[in-house]
Amino acid sequence: SQTIHQWPATLVQPVGSPLSLECTVEGTSNPNLYWYRQAAGRGLQLLFYSVGIGQISSEVPQNLSASRPQDRQFILSSKKLLLSDSGFYLCACRDTYEQYFGPGTRLTVT
Amino acid sequence: AQSVTQPDIHITVSEGASLELRCNYSYGATPYLFWYVQSPGQGLQLLLKYFSGDTLVQGIKGFEAEFKRSQSSFNLRKPSVHWSDAAEYFCAVGDSNSGYALNFGKGTSLLVTP
Repeated sequence: SQTIHQWPATLVQPVGSPLSLECTVEGTSNPNLYWYRQAAGRGLQLLFYSVGIGQISSEVPQNLSASRPQDRQFILSSKKLLLSDSGFYLCACRDTYEQYFGPGTRLTVT
Repeated sequence: AQSVTQPDIHITVSEGASLELRCNYSYGATPYLFWYVQSPGQGLQLLLKYFSGDTLVQGIKGFEAEFKRSQSSFNLRKPSVHWSDAAEYFCAVGDSNSGYALNFGKGTSLLVTP
């Protein structure tokens, strides 16, 4: 079965600073990968998904971007963080029809 | 576009009592449906899933859910709740147009009282 790693676990960043969150997956190859954000009281929102290396689809216009430089690596980035970027960021991997989630990164933008 | 509705934001049950969490979906084709549980500060754990076949599905931790196409529902049940079941529960539907990404309901927060 897959194992999903995310780091860092928590992050506090000032407004306007850059961001890089990393997700790596073990135990599978050529997976679909996803970034979700969970903002307080707003449920989970799909940000990006990728069906292969270099293939990124964005679901919500925003100041975030994603990249997939390797088959099992998915990176979420921002050049300048906004206060509204605070939240809990979850990486997920699809295996057949199921999705498995990583432990998440708690981002606080101050 | 499909959507998922969880009508109950908060539910409180006594330990040992039965539980039912409601989920309604809107989707044109046969949906891929899921229930996840999230403990505070943690990621999401898959409880159970429905793709096809038997409409009553069994999951982990004693949970089950029933798919009712006529009611567009996928309610989660447990016959006897334990204090450790207190958590946030999310219903989700897979979207074939977004690489099978999940479209989540807003969640139901379960509180278990002694």
